[in-house]
Amino acid sequence: AQKVTQAQTEISVVEKEDVTLDCVYETRDTTYYLFWYKQPPSGELVFLIRRNSFDEQNEISGRYSWNFQKSTSSFNFTITASQVVDSAVYFCALSDDDNTDKLIFGTGTRLQVFP
Amino acid sequence: DGGITQSPKYLFRKEGQNVTLSCEQNLNHDAMYWYRQDPGQGLRLIYYSQIVNDFQKGDIAEGYSVSREKKESFPLTVTSAQKNPTAFYLCASSMDRGGYTFGSGTRLTVV
Repeated sequence: AQKVTQAQTEISVVEKEDVTLDCVYETRDTTYYLFWYKQPPSGELVFLIRRNSFDEQNEISGRYSWNFQKSTSSFNFTITASQVVDSAVYFCALSDDDNTDKLIFGTGTRLQVFP
Repeated sequence: DGGITQSPKYLFRKEGQNVTLSCEQNLNHDAMYWYRQDPGQGLRLIYYSQIVNDFQKGDIAEGYSVSREKKESFPLTVTSAQKNPTAFYLCASSMDRGGYTFGSGTRLTVV
Protein backbone atom coordinates (compact mmCIF):
# COMPACT_ATOMS: atom_id res chain seq x y z
CA ALA A 1 0.00 0.00 0.00
CA GLN A 2 1.15 3.51 -0.67
CA LYS A 3 1.87 5.75 2.25
CA VAL A 4 3.74 8.94 3.06
CA THR A 5 4.96 9.56 6.60
CA GLN A 6 6.04 12.91 7.95
CA ALA A 7 6.91 12.07 11.52
CA GLN A 8 7.66 15.64 12.57
CA THR A 9 4.39 17.34 13.42
CA GLU A 10 5.89 20.69 14.30
CA ILE A 11 9.37 22.20 14.25
CA SER A 12 10.43 25.52 15.74
CA VAL A 13 13.70 27.20 14.89
CA VAL A 14 15.27 30.60 15.21
CA GLU A 15 16.02 32.58 12.09
CA LYS A 16 19.24 31.60 10.27
CA GLU A 17 19.19 28.07 11.61
CA ASP A 18 19.20 25.18 9.15
CA VAL A 19 16.25 22.82 9.37
CA THR A 20 15.48 19.44 7.78
CA LEU A 21 11.97 18.13 7.22
CA ASP A 22 11.75 14.36 6.95
CA CYS A 23 9.63 12.37 4.52
CA VAL A 24 9.45 8.58 4.28
CA TYR A 25 7.33 6.90 1.64
CA GLU A 26 6.06 3.41 0.84
CA THR A 27 5.23 2.09 -2.59
CA ARG A 28 5.47 -1.19 -4.47
CA ASP A 29 5.94 0.53 -7.81
CA THR A 30 9.32 1.10 -9.40
CA THR A 31 8.10 4.19 -11.21
CA TYR A 32 6.80 6.96 -9.01
CA TYR A 33 7.05 10.68 -8.35
CA LEU A 34 7.68 12.56 -5.16
CA PHE A 35 6.67 16.13 -4.42
CA TRP A 36 7.00 18.81 -1.79
CA TYR A 37 4.43 21.55 -1.29
CA LYS A 38 4.39 24.59 0.97
CA GLN A 39 1.17 25.82 2.58
CA PRO A 40 1.54 29.36 3.98
CA PRO A 41 -1.09 30.78 6.35
CA SER A 42 -3.14 31.94 3.36
CA GLY A 43 -3.98 28.28 2.70
CA GLU A 44 -3.00 27.80 -0.91
CA LEU A 45 -0.50 25.00 -1.54
CA VAL A 46 2.57 26.04 -3.48
CA PHE A 47 4.52 23.53 -5.55
CA LEU A 48 8.21 23.30 -4.58
CA ILE A 49 9.70 20.28 -6.34
CA ARG A 50 8.98 17.09 -8.25
CA ARG A 51 11.38 14.16 -8.37
CA ASN A 52 10.94 10.92 -10.32
CA SER A 53 12.10 7.58 -8.98
CA PHE A 54 14.87 7.22 -11.53
CA ASP A 55 16.61 10.43 -10.61
CA GLU A 56 18.39 10.20 -7.28
CA GLN A 57 20.48 13.29 -7.73
CA ASN A 58 20.08 15.76 -4.94
CA GLU A 59 18.72 19.13 -5.91
CA ILE A 60 19.45 22.60 -4.65
CA SER A 61 17.39 25.69 -5.32
CA GLY A 62 18.63 28.71 -3.46
CA ARG A 63 18.26 28.01 0.26
CA TYR A 64 16.25 24.85 -0.42
CA SER A 65 17.75 21.41 -1.00
CA TRP A 66 16.32 17.94 -1.31
CA ASN A 67 17.93 14.59 -0.50
CA PHE A 68 16.33 11.62 -2.25
CA GLN A 69 17.51 8.19 -1.07
CA LYS A 70 15.75 5.15 -2.51
CA SER A 71 17.66 2.83 -0.18
CA THR A 72 15.84 4.33 2.80
CA SER A 73 12.69 5.43 0.91
CA SER A 74 13.24 8.97 2.03
CA PHE A 75 12.91 12.36 0.39
CA ASN A 76 14.05 14.93 2.93
CA PHE A 77 13.88 18.69 2.55
CA THR A 78 16.42 21.08 4.04
CA ILE A 79 16.09 24.82 4.40
CA THR A 80 19.42 26.57 4.94
CA ALA A 81 19.57 29.82 6.90
CA SER A 82 15.84 29.79 7.60
CA GLN A 83 13.81 32.99 7.46
CA VAL A 84 10.53 34.03 9.06
CA VAL A 85 8.87 33.82 5.62
CA ASP A 86 9.61 30.10 5.60
CA SER A 87 7.01 29.60 8.34
CA ALA A 88 4.36 27.35 6.84
CA VAL A 89 3.10 23.79 6.74
CA TYR A 90 5.10 21.62 4.38
CA PHE A 91 3.65 18.54 2.73
CA CYS A 92 5.43 15.64 1.09
CA ALA A 93 3.43 13.69 -1.50
CA LEU A 94 3.72 10.55 -3.62
CA SER A 95 2.27 9.72 -7.03
CA ASP A 96 2.59 6.12 -8.22
CA ASP A 97 -0.64 5.48 -10.10
CA ASP A 98 0.07 4.58 -13.72
CA ASN A 99 -3.24 5.93 -14.96
CA THR A 100 -3.75 9.11 -12.98
CA ASP A 101 -1.86 11.92 -11.27
CA LYS A 102 -3.45 11.16 -7.90
CA LEU A 103 -1.29 12.30 -5.03
CA ILE A 104 -1.00 10.71 -1.60
CA PHE A 105 -0.07 13.31 0.98
CA GLY A 106 1.71 13.05 4.28
CA THR A 107 0.17 14.76 7.29
CA GLY A 108 2.47 17.74 6.98
CA THR A 109 5.11 19.40 9.14
CA ARG A 110 4.41 22.83 10.59
CA LEU A 111 7.58 24.92 10.57
CA GLN A 112 7.76 28.03 12.72
CA VAL A 113 10.73 30.31 12.27
CA PHE A 114 11.15 32.89 15.01
CA PRO A 115 13.07 36.14 14.56
CA ASP B 1 -2.43 34.72 -15.73
CA GLY B 2 -3.36 31.04 -15.66
CA GLY B 3 -4.58 29.54 -12.45
CA ILE B 4 -7.37 28.02 -10.42
CA THR B 5 -10.12 30.06 -8.86
CA GLN B 6 -12.12 28.74 -5.95
CA SER B 7 -15.17 30.49 -4.59
CA PRO B 8 -16.37 31.45 -2.14
CA LYS B 9 -13.42 31.80 0.23
CA TYR B 10 -15.67 31.29 3.26
CA LEU B 11 -18.97 29.44 3.32
CA PHE B 12 -21.43 28.78 6.10
CA ARG B 13 -23.91 25.93 5.92
CA LYS B 14 -26.91 25.22 8.04
CA GLU B 15 -27.68 21.70 9.13
CA GLY B 16 -29.46 19.77 6.37
CA GLN B 17 -28.43 22.14 3.59
CA ASN B 18 -26.61 21.31 0.39
CA VAL B 19 -23.91 23.74 -0.65
CA THR B 20 -21.81 23.93 -3.80
CA LEU B 21 -18.17 24.96 -3.96
CA SER B 22 -16.93 26.38 -7.23
CA CYS B 23 -13.62 25.53 -8.92
CA GLU B 24 -12.58 26.99 -12.27
CA GLN B 25 -9.24 26.64 -14.07
CA ASN B 26 -7.82 28.26 -17.20
CA LEU B 27 -4.68 26.15 -17.39
CA ASN B 28 -6.10 23.76 -19.98
CA HIS B 29 -5.40 20.89 -17.59
CA ASP B 30 -7.25 17.66 -18.19
CA ALA B 31 -7.39 16.40 -14.62
CA MET B 32 -9.03 18.07 -11.64
CA TYR B 33 -9.27 17.07 -7.98
CA TRP B 34 -11.03 17.91 -4.75
CA TYR B 35 -9.29 17.45 -1.43
CA ARG B 36 -10.44 17.96 2.11
CA GLN B 37 -8.08 19.20 4.82
CA ASP B 38 -8.83 18.92 8.53
CA PRO B 39 -6.69 20.55 11.23
CA GLY B 40 -3.47 18.65 11.81
CA GLN B 41 -4.19 16.24 9.01
CA GLY B 42 -3.02 15.81 5.49
CA LEU B 43 -5.12 16.22 2.39
CA ARG B 44 -7.66 13.51 1.68
CA LEU B 45 -9.00 12.94 -1.82
CA ILE B 46 -12.76 13.35 -2.27
CA TYR B 47 -13.27 13.08 -6.05
CA TYR B 48 -11.18 13.42 -9.16
CA SER B 49 -11.84 13.76 -12.86
CA GLN B 50 -9.45 12.98 -15.68
CA ILE B 51 -11.65 14.07 -18.58
CA VAL B 52 -14.90 15.89 -19.20
CA ASN B 53 -18.04 13.97 -18.26
CA ASP B 54 -16.08 11.46 -16.20
CA PHE B 55 -15.14 11.41 -12.54
CA GLN B 56 -14.09 8.89 -9.91
CA LYS B 57 -14.54 8.60 -6.16
CA GLY B 58 -11.58 9.21 -3.95
CA ASP B 59 -11.01 7.99 -0.43
CA ILE B 60 -13.78 9.98 1.28
CA ALA B 61 -16.50 10.50 -1.34
CA GLU B 62 -19.50 9.75 0.89
CA GLY B 63 -21.73 12.79 1.31
CA TYR B 64 -20.22 14.63 -1.67
CA SER B 65 -21.07 14.88 -5.35
CA VAL B 66 -19.35 16.45 -8.37
CA SER B 67 -19.89 17.16 -12.04
CA ARG B 68 -17.52 17.80 -14.94
CA GLU B 69 -19.54 19.24 -17.79
CA LYS B 70 -16.75 21.54 -18.96
CA LYS B 71 -12.99 21.11 -18.92
CA GLU B 72 -12.59 24.33 -16.98
CA SER B 73 -15.06 23.61 -14.20
CA PHE B 74 -15.31 20.99 -11.45
CA PRO B 75 -17.87 22.03 -8.80
CA LEU B 76 -18.23 20.09 -5.55
CA THR B 77 -21.55 19.76 -3.74
CA VAL B 78 -21.50 19.00 -0.05
CA THR B 79 -24.79 17.28 0.64
CA SER B 80 -26.75 16.94 3.85
CA ALA B 81 -25.53 13.34 3.98
CA GLN B 82 -22.04 14.58 4.89
CA LYS B 83 -22.23 14.52 8.67
CA ASN B 84 -19.08 16.45 9.43
CA PRO B 85 -18.53 18.92 6.59
CA THR B 86 -16.63 21.60 8.49
CA ALA B 87 -13.20 21.65 6.84
CA PHE B 88 -10.93 23.41 4.37
CA TYR B 89 -11.56 22.32 0.78
CA LEU B 90 -8.89 22.53 -1.89
CA CYS B 91 -9.32 22.12 -5.61
CA ALA B 92 -6.39 21.26 -7.87
CA SER B 93 -5.62 20.51 -11.48
CA SER B 94 -2.77 18.69 -13.17
CA MET B 95 -1.36 17.53 -16.46
CA ASP B 96 1.12 14.74 -17.16
CA ARG B 97 2.73 14.22 -13.75
CA GLY B 98 3.70 17.83 -13.63
CA GLY B 99 2.40 18.26 -10.15
CA TYR B 100 -0.72 19.99 -9.03
CA THR B 101 -1.74 23.60 -9.24
CA PHE B 102 -3.97 24.38 -6.28
CA GLY B 103 -6.69 26.93 -5.74
CA SER B 104 -6.71 29.13 -2.65
CA GLY B 105 -9.34 26.99 -0.92
CA THR B 106 -12.81 27.32 0.56
CA ARG B 107 -13.33 27.16 4.30
CA LEU B 108 -16.72 25.60 5.04
CA THR B 109 -18.31 25.89 8.46
CA VAL B 110 -21.55 24.35 9.66
CA VAL B 111 -23.61 26.72 11.78
